Amino acid sequence: QQQVKQSPQSLIVQKGGISIINCAYENTAFDYFPWYQQFPGKGPALLIAIRPDVSEKKEGRFTISFNKSAKQFSLHIMDSQPGDSATYFCAAGADSWGKLQFGAGTQVVVTP
Amino acid sequence: DGGITQSPKYLFRKEGQNVTLSCEQNLNHDAMYWYRQDPGQGLRLIYYSQIVNDFQKGDIAEGYSVSREKKESFPLTVTSAQKNPTAFYLCASSISVLGNYEQYFGPGTRLTVT
Repeated sequence: QQQVKQSPQSLIVQKGGISIINCAYENTAFDYFPWYQQFPGKGPALLIAIRPDVSEKKEGRFTISFNKSAKQFSLHIMDSQPGDSATYFCAAGADSWGKLQFGAGTQVVVTP
Repeated sequence: DGGITQSPKYLFRKEGQNVTLSCEQNLNHDAMYWYRQDPGQGLRLIYYSQIVNDFQKGDIAEGYSVSREKKESFPLTVTSAQKNPTAFYLCASSISVLGNYEQYFGPGTRLTVT
């Protein structure tokens, strides 16, 4: 039973376009929502994270949008570049829980 | 150069053999984690440890064992009881388990059991 559902499984976007990845969760105890980027054969690296007290957080070309009432959050990659081609994972955790639940991942391919 | 090291990068074993995967960190982090990654399933937590000599089962602990004798080290043993051991194994660490501080991941070990 996956506590964090991620979609789409894969997406192809042209250079300069916007990549959008969505995640949904059920457990209202979650209060920390990070996104990780993983290149083939490497460990994931934290990209950006958000807490429920804000609805949006932006770092460079990466933006998290958070909708607490819908229990959904999304990652937007603006002006996508070929170097952004990777697998992206959303995750959710609770301060009192000490663990992260990961989504299944989205493989993003940015074409030149 | 601080970080997490996992060795070896690739590991091959025959079915029925136990195998131990190494994880070392020099970040002075208290918490360490082991995850398993399979295609299309994201990362699943095997075990985690908040302090030395203490660890807790994650979501898929069956067939695995760990130890935490030193703050810097958190080895994972994949036993012969693990039904499908072939996977990519990732070790991570964070300042603390509670508070959801950023988890730093190692480069991973790809285990193949035939």
